[in-house]
Amino acid sequence: AQSVTQLGSHVSVSEGALVLLRCNYSSSVPPYLFWYVQYPNQGLQLLLKYTSAATLVKGINGFEAEFKKSETSFHLTKPSAHMSDAAEYFCAVLPGGYQKVTFGTGTKLQVIP
Amino acid sequence: EAQVTQNPRYLITVTGKKLTVTCSQNMNHEYMSWYRQDPGLGLRQIYYSMNVEVTDKGDVPEGYKVSRKEKRNFPLILESPSPNQTSLYFCASSTRLGGEKLFFGSGTQLSVL
Repeated sequence: AQSVTQLGSHVSVSEGALVLLRCNYSSSVPPYLFWYVQYPNQGLQLLLKYTSAATLVKGINGFEAEFKKSETSFHLTKPSAHMSDAAEYFCAVLPGGYQKVTFGTGTKLQVIP
Repeated sequence: EAQVTQNPRYLITVTGKKLTVTCSQNMNHEYMSWYRQDPGLGLRQIYYSMNVEVTDKGDVPEGYKVSRKEKRNFPLILESPSPNQTSLYFCASSTRLGGEKLFFGSGTQLSVL
């Protein structure tokens, strides 16, 4: 069975500082990996996805994530936080050939002016 | 505009009173799924459907029913709601699993008294 662990349910950063949201996964087969963002009172939107084409994946709004097989990690980063980045972020894993996406428990990002 | 539409947006009901939450997508997607979101637990899958008349249980199916009679619709039915089903519910769809992103509805906040 697959699983996702997101370290830190709440993360606070200053505006302009580096954003780092951590995600570790387990999967018995090579997985697809996703980061979704949820703004208040909205559904989830895809930020970026890893589908084995490249280990460094760039997404929308300046976010990127690096797939590290040896560490089973897929951490999300952004060089400079903006106030509009305040939201909840979810990491998700879909093992290749399977039909079930498993989500992490989410990390709420607070950006301090 | 491509979208997943859920109704109602908010629902307050009483224990035991049957209810249906509707979900419709206009993208001709084969895959549809229901999730519930609870604080600290992230998103957990209730049921999913790979195509018309094909449905299967997710992680937390107890107390829920679904049907997929048409490709565009995937209603979630609570035959006898209980207070532990108070949650935020999301419907999602995708062309197919295997690296494709999920499109989410805006959510239904359900309170069972």
